[in-house]
Amino acid sequence: KNQVEQSPQSLIILEGKNCTLQCNYTVSPFSNLRWYKQDTGRGPVSLTIMTFSENTKSNGRYTATLDADTKQSSLHITASQLSDSASYICVVTYNQGGKLIFGQGTELSVKP
Amino acid sequence: DTEVTQTPKHLVMGMTNKKSLKCEQHMGHRAMYWYKQKAKKPPELMFVYSYEKLSINESVPSRFSPECPNSSLLNLHLHALQPEDSALYLCASSQYSGTYEQYFGPGTRLTVT
Repeated sequence: KNQVEQSPQSLIILEGKNCTLQCNYTVSPFSNLRWYKQDTGRGPVSLTIMTFSENTKSNGRYTATLDADTKQSSLHITASQLSDSASYICVVTYNQGGKLIFGQGTELSVKP
Repeated sequence: DTEVTQTPKHLVMGMTNKKSLKCEQHMGHRAMYWYKQKAKKPPELMFVYSYEKLSINESVPSRFSPECPNSSLLNLHLHALQPEDSALYLCASSQYSGTYEQYFGPGTRLTVT
């Protein structure tokens, strides 16, 4: 079954600290993996996108890694800011038809 | 312009009302999508339009009726909804259907009373 699992479910960190979110997937065949940031009540915004041949991708303070062999990805946030408080969703694109398989998300709360 | 716009931002409707959600993009994308998202859950695909034709209907109840009048516009007509239909409704678009990146709109928060 095509699934995407994320951990932790929720995370609280202090402003300025770093954190790492995890994503494991069983989607096959796999086209690409994206990390989205979703503020409460808003649409998801793409942070990074990686194909199976890419190991790492950065976007400012966000760095995503991908290990296609173990089917694992991580999103590392450096020097967190209050505005980083949001849900972070790992999304894998199923290569047949392009359907998006969403993870349940990690709810990140950055406290002052 | 990489923006998908949705109107209204918020909508409250009774179970006997008829209302419509609107989505617009001017990126020249030929695929458009409707998703439903409940609180603290990931989005669930409802419909996919490709070249203005409905290509995927994920077994959505007939009280939701999509319409794609042209390549830039996508509507979702609502009739006789139930309280459990209250959710955030997201529109997205991509260059073509398939594995192309989807750009999401800000959503319409729907409350059915």
